[in-house]
Amino acid sequence: QQPVQSPQAVILREGEDAVINCSSSKALYSVHWYRQKHGEAPIFLMILLKGGEQKGHDKISASFNEKKQQSSLYLTASQLSYSGTYFCGTEKVGNEKLTFGTGTRLTIIP
Amino acid sequence: DTEVTQTPKHLVMGMTNKKSLKCEQHMGHRAMYWYKQKAKKPPELMFVYSYEKLSINESVPSRFSPECPNSSLLNLHLHALQPEDSALYLCASSQGSANSYEQYFGPGTRLTVT
Repeated sequence: QQPVQSPQAVILREGEDAVINCSSSKALYSVHWYRQKHGEAPIFLMILLKGGEQKGHDKISASFNEKKQQSSLYLTASQLSYSGTYFCGTEKVGNEKLTFGTGTRLTIIP
Repeated sequence: DTEVTQTPKHLVMGMTNKKSLKCEQHMGHRAMYWYKQKAKKPPELMFVYSYEKLSINESVPSRFSPECPNSSLLNLHLHALQPEDSALYLCASSQGSANSYEQYFGPGTRLTVT
């Protein structure tokens, strides 16, 4: 089953913060985050493995709560370049297949 | 070189045609993937090759036939497609098939079936 992301879409002004959530009904081994701009390939952002870790680089970070089977992506002080559709990808325990979430369209305006 | 290349960029084919999509990577990755993506939808996994062997087939219709001639190349052979098969076909590769590895995506082939 496909992970559910929320919100479906969000519009922010440059400099504002955003949180994107990813929720699965299955026990997870890992969560990936990707960003895809219109007409382009998805670009890898980060992986979080089972263990409840939090990762981050620059102004983008993420957390993974394996008990709740949820992950959140945090974008702080958003830049115009952050615009795009964000997908989480989840891997269930015992299954190497990556299933992408429903997607969140983020629009940053000046 | 962290690039995955795909050819052609665009393809229009009739329902009786036979065509092939090509994907190439030179990162030494041992896992390669085909995804199908419809507009405003997430990528859907079709096939996974691990060490040049097909490891996952997501119940894809036989009109799609994957091939991995060597560790750098991945092909998708198309035959007798339907209009609903029109989509963006993405190839990806990763260091291994276990999902602790990031996937690198190619730019995709936009396929239109008429």
